[in-house]
Amino acid sequence: EAQVTQNPRYLITVTGKKLTVTCSQNMNHEYMSWYRQDPGLGLRQIYYSMNVEVTDKGDVPEGYKVSRKEKRNFPLILESPSPNQTSLYFCASSLLGQGRGDNYGYTFGSGTRLTVV
Amino acid sequence: QKEVEQNSGPLSVPEGAIASLNCTYSDRGSQSFFWYRQYSGKSPELIMSIYSNGDKEDGRFTAQLNKASQYVSLLIRDSQPSDSATYLCAVNDGGGSNYKLTFGKGTLLTVNP
Repeated sequence: EAQVTQNPRYLITVTGKKLTVTCSQNMNHEYMSWYRQDPGLGLRQIYYSMNVEVTDKGDVPEGYKVSRKEKRNFPLILESPSPNQTSLYFCASSLLGQGRGDNYGYTFGSGTRLTVV
Repeated sequence: QKEVEQNSGPLSVPEGAIASLNCTYSDRGSQSFFWYRQYSGKSPELIMSIYSNGDKEDGRFTAQLNKASQYVSLLIRDSQPSDSATYLCAVNDGGGSNYKLTFGKGTLLTVNP
């Protein structure tokens, strides 16, 4: 089954304790991205990657790191989490290019609900 | 700052009615438009994509695009209670490539039995 797998689904952590949220896709998509979703603010892009070793900042990158060492994996790293990073996080992937059709839309993972206390 | 605007709702319609969801965008160069459905606590799910002016139909769903007016809409015919969800409009940055989607904040739709 084509999917984007995120882990963990739920995470409660303390301020300053480094954590990693994993994301893996099995669709051979070039493009992967991380979003956070907060009430009243909608989905905001954190980082994105257009291929292996190619990453760039989205709209809200502060406090986050990413890496893309393999095409299928795109982990999100919080080196020193703070309470304002409490949010619902989504990983997404898609084909990259100027094609048209639904397969150029994002496929989202199931989400990770992070609470930083 | 590229913007995608949606009426936050809630939009309430009776079962069997047509639900009309609207979206405007600021980037005149945008060429790819998507509608996602998101149930509470779940991830967004792609419903439809549209790239050309006019209508695109898929089952009970019709997407409409008017690039001159920078307007995209989603019609849901014969609305069902299972359609109750938040609907997100997403628009790509200008240039034709599909990456870097900007999402609207979504419209909450409630279909009443």
